[in-house]
Amino acid sequence: GAGVSQTPSNKVTEKGKYVELRCDPISGHTALYWYRQSLGQGPEFLIYFQGTGAADDSGLPNDRFFAVRPEGSVSTLKIQRTERGDSAVYLCASSFRLAGYYEQYFGPGTRLTVT
Amino acid sequence: AQRVTQPEKLLSVFKGAPVELKCNYSYSGSPELFWYVQYSRQRLQLLLRHISRESIKGFTADLNKGETSFHLKKPFAQEEDSAMYYCALSGASNTGKLIFGQGTTLQVKP
Repeated sequence: GAGVSQTPSNKVTEKGKYVELRCDPISGHTALYWYRQSLGQGPEFLIYFQGTGAADDSGLPNDRFFAVRPEGSVSTLKIQRTERGDSAVYLCASSFRLAGYYEQYFGPGTRLTVT
Repeated sequence: AQRVTQPEKLLSVFKGAPVELKCNYSYSGSPELFWYVQYSRQRLQLLLRHISRESIKGFTADLNKGETSFHLKKPFAQEEDSAMYYCALSGASNTGKLIFGQGTTLQVKP
């Protein structure tokens, strides 16, 4: 079946602009995660949704970052007033929660470059 | 603080040689540990998890709570094992969020 998809695959924007990154999880997966991966680093947790609500947003670096999942499926990560330090690959993952174990399936990522 | 450390950025071995990718973690409770792999031009995918105690593609990993380690091992490396490997931890928050190490590139030479 179809895996997690993310659009766009690449995004180049100027410093100070607003961007939206989209994630389509696997159908039926209730949990959705956003991670950010800077060059040479492992993925870093940003936010977790269970259904429509953000159950854990402790990884969002500041209030320029916001994410929504209004219908419990597609999610959008929004970044305001982008900075060069926001340049990274943004990964989305989804999981079907089984008791005590959550295998996360990752999307291909969106590479964001802020010039 | 929760942390995962992979001390080697690059591990280069010849085909047929044993492989050990090191992972150490810092966590006060009982974590779940995972190894994720990313092959060239593919997405990140789960390789194995400690609670299943299974061998995947010849790889095994044992959780050593005394040494807070979860090293990934394979007795005989194959060229197709060349990839980026990430060790990850999931704590007791019940969210499933993962804390990743910095990753180790495994290069298996013919």
